[in-house]
Amino acid sequence: DAGVIQSPRHEVTEMGQEVTLRCKPISGHNSLFWYRQTMMRGLELLIYFNNNVPIDDSGMPEDRFSAKMPNASFSTLKIQPSEPRDSAVYFCASSLQTHGYTFGSGTRLTVV
Amino acid sequence: GESVGLHLPTLSVQEGDNSIINCAYSNSASDYFIWYKQESGKGPQFIIDIRSNMDKRQGQRVTVLLNKTVKHLSLQIAATQPGDSAVYFCAEGPEGGADGLTFGKGTHLIIQP
Repeated sequence: DAGVIQSPRHEVTEMGQEVTLRCKPISGHNSLFWYRQTMMRGLELLIYFNNNVPIDDSGMPEDRFSAKMPNASFSTLKIQPSEPRDSAVYFCASSLQTHGYTFGSGTRLTVV
Repeated sequence: GESVGLHLPTLSVQEGDNSIINCAYSNSASDYFIWYKQESGKGPQFIIDIRSNMDKRQGQRVTVLLNKTVKHLSLQIAATQPGDSAVYFCAEGPEGGADGLTFGKGTHLIIQP
């Protein structure tokens, strides 16, 4: 089992550019979560999907953020346009019936 | 102005001693609780979970205690090892569905040789 796979591991981009983060959940897991981690705010839930359907996106900070899950094995989190305050580590996690999430290794995003 | 980061509580214990990490949660409706361990540069790693119909659960070298009356959760690590050094998070959520978990701010555990 390869676990939850995120790409890229690191992303450095200029303010105003579009950023796309990718996630491959564990095969068979039916829930997928996007979290953001910063020193100021800790781990924050941005959005989650059950069976590929977005359930709650109330944690998405602004309309600049969007997430999709076109199939059970792939999800993206997009920021357009990016801003320096979006700099953080973004984690994807997947689970089966809330039996403990499995997190990916995260994408460290730096917007300059 | 300069931003100030979170000041994580820090617990320092001697190698081989037992450690107890505490967590106060806020949502009385939460029925599911998890402890995660996060090492530098890695994602949070599941340690142990407990549901609200239990007050204690044991794993390998770890025990989680739940007191719903005072909304308190603790993680006990027995015979700590250098590899236990990490930030530990408690998380809470509702039972019966794959809803998002709410994470605490974390405690930094340092194991002294």
